[in-house]
Amino acid sequence: GNSVTQMEGPVTLSEEAFLTINCTYTATGYPSLFWYVQYPGEGLQLLLKATKADDKGSNKGFEATYRKETTSFHLEKGSVQVSDSAVYFCAFGAGSYQLTFGKGTKLSVIP
Amino acid sequence: DAGVIQSPRHEVTEMGQEVTLRCKPISGHDYLFWYRQTMMRGLELLIYFNNNVPIDDSGMPEDRFSAKMPNASFSTLKIQPSEPRDSAVYFCASSPGDTFIDEQYFGPGTRLTVT
Repeated sequence: GNSVTQMEGPVTLSEEAFLTINCTYTATGYPSLFWYVQYPGEGLQLLLKATKADDKGSNKGFEATYRKETTSFHLEKGSVQVSDSAVYFCAFGAGSYQLTFGKGTKLSVIP
Repeated sequence: DAGVIQSPRHEVTEMGQEVTLRCKPISGHDYLFWYRQTMMRGLELLIYFNNNVPIDDSGMPEDRFSAKMPNASFSTLKIQPSEPRDSAVYFCASSPGDTFIDEQYFGPGTRLTVT
């Protein structure tokens, strides 16, 4: 069945470090892929998305590329800030209005 | 726009009591989703509506849970009777529904504690 697997956290990084959060998916067809972010005490909000193979989504210095051959959508940022501390969710939509979410990866950035 | 509004933000109740969670979606959005978030199970879709009609309730855990959307601007999720294992954060989200890749806009959530 459809599923999303993302790296387990928590992840702790120093400010200005490079971030990678891995995400792979299992789905039939060609899903659309998303990264959502949840700041403490808030709901999820869309960070970026990609709708077809080789698309790159980007926002706020974060990037992710839709890799069909490896069924992956890894999140990267070149230099994290303390304000990036949050929980990050990988998700996909496979031709319907439902989204399937990963379990989330908690990121803590220390000064 | 005020975004998705949920109430209450926190609810503490005793086992066996009825709990009602409320949601006001963003005006003009055709889709409304109810999710539950726990440490053990992550984020789970419970039910979603299109134009006030329930489309898929396969995620509703059992008959104690029910959801309604009497009009385009209001939805409720009811648990009766509540149990300690229902303790979680419940999110409501809405989406314009123009395409299936539309962003879902989440409310701030209701943290439910059942003692």
